[in-house]
Amino acid sequence: QTVVTQEPSFSVSPGGTVTLTCGLSSGSVSTNYYPSWYQQTPGQAPRTLIYTTNTRSSGVPDRFSGSILGDKAALTITGAQADDESDYYCVLYMGSGNWVFGGGTKLTVL
Amino acid sequence: QLQLQESGPGLVKPSETLSLTCSVSGGSISSSSYYWGWIRQPPGNGLEWIGSIYYSGNTYYNPSLNSRVTISVDTSKNQVSLKLISVTAADTAVFYCARGSIPAGYSSSVYYFDYWGLGTLVTVSS
Repeated sequence: QTVVTQEPSFSVSPGGTVTLTCGLSSGSVSTNYYPSWYQQTPGQAPRTLIYTTNTRSSGVPDRFSGSILGDKAALTITGAQADDESDYYCVLYMGSGNWVFGGGTKLTVL
Repeated sequence: QLQLQESGPGLVKPSETLSLTCSVSGGSISSSSYYWGWIRQPPGNGLEWIGSIYYSGNTYYNPSLNSRVTISVDTSKNQVSLKLISVTAADTAVFYCARGSIPAGYSSSVYYFDYWGLGTLVTVSS
């Protein structure tokens, strides 16, 4: 089965910009994988950030943006804040009704 | 405001069947705009899609779990159910139910999870 890859961890300074990526163990991510992104803090349910590559979910600040960068989907946080410190998950559509989550990226803001 | 609440036994013995229910309030599960999915998260690990069901009854399962999982809906109770047979300790996880919304202008096979339940921890142990 194809593995969805994410950086295990990343750090960003407050006010800085960070780009998290979502790739495939084999092949390139395109908009046809309909990537979506979720934020999760410990002990909480995931929160939807981005869907269909670059559409922000309701109530999500515009400092969160999604895109395709090269052969990966990307989540960019501009002007990182302390409460952005969370785990971030992408999920890709593999066809035939199947979805695969990436392993998640633990983002530290310091 | 849509709310989803998972319920079921918190402890299941190995080789037995895990059964969970997701009660949906504030909206109908019978809309053609939505899927209803189950996602799990083993302690300290990442999210794993288990499967989804469309309002029509069509089901889609993670190939790695396909032979053990069944998702169904009870429209009269506005509930979505999950059954996972022959469980082992590796099935210990927080189980989330979530609504899958089909974005406007996209095919009905594309959706994203926009509402999530709080999750329920199920431990598999004798």
